[in-house]
Amino acid sequence: DTAVSQTPKYLVTQMGNDKSIKCEQNLGHDTMYWYKQDSKKFLKIMFSYNNKELIINETVPNRFSPKSPDKAHLNLHINSLELGDSAVYFCASSQGGKRADTQYFGPGTRLTVL
Amino acid sequence: GENVEQHPSTLSVQEGDSAVIKCTYSDSASNYFPWYKQELGKRPQLIIDIRSNVGEKKDQRIAVTLNKTAKHFSLHITETQPEDSAVYFCAAREAGTYKYIFGTGTRLKVLA
Repeated sequence: DTAVSQTPKYLVTQMGNDKSIKCEQNLGHDTMYWYKQDSKKFLKIMFSYNNKELIINETVPNRFSPKSPDKAHLNLHINSLELGDSAVYFCASSQGGKRADTQYFGPGTRLTVL
Repeated sequence: GENVEQHPSTLSVQEGDSAVIKCTYSDSASNYFPWYKQELGKRPQLIIDIRSNVGEKKDQRIAVTLNKTAKHFSLHITETQPEDSAVYFCAAREAGTYKYIFGTGTRLKVLA
C-alpha cells in the first residue's frame, strides 16, 4: 500500500546514456512533482504536473523531459547524462487545488553517472 | 519569486535539551509552511505544518511558530531524543502556485 513509489531505487550509468525514472502515486492526488537533491542535500523543484498538465518548469537543461501519461504517474527521462546529473531524484504528490497542502515524497532514486 | 533561508546549518544538542531551527521567507503572500524530517538515506517526511492564518501549532514535542510581520517561522523540538537526529527542512509555498521553496536544511545531532 505504498503511497508514492519510484523505480528504480538505484541507477548507475555511463556518461552520455539515456535513462528514465518512473513514479506512481495511489493517493488519488492531482499534482505530482520532481525534485533533485544534490550532494549538499539541497532540495530543488524541477517540474510539476497538475492533472497531466505541466504547471512548473524550472530552469532545468532540456535534456530532462517529464511525462505524465495520467495523473497517477509522472516519469522523468534524461538524455545524454552528465556527471553533474548525479543526485537523488524525488517524486512527490499533493492533493493540489488552491489550498496549500501536504506533499508526500517517494523513496527517491539515487542516480550515479560515471 | 520566493526565497527561503534556514539557520543554523548544523545543530548539536544534548539529549533532553530543546532544539530550535529558524527560517525566513521573502514573499509576504506565501501562505503555507511545512517542515520535513529526512533521515539518512530516506525520503523527506512531513512532521508539522502551519498556515498563514495561524501563529502557532503544537504536536507533542514539536511546535512551529509563525511571525507574518517579520516573515519568519521556527521549529521547536523539546526533550530531544537520539532518534530526532536527522536533517530538517523548512519550506514555503508561493501564494497562488503549486511551488514549494525549500530551505537549505539543518542537520540536527542529538548527543546521548
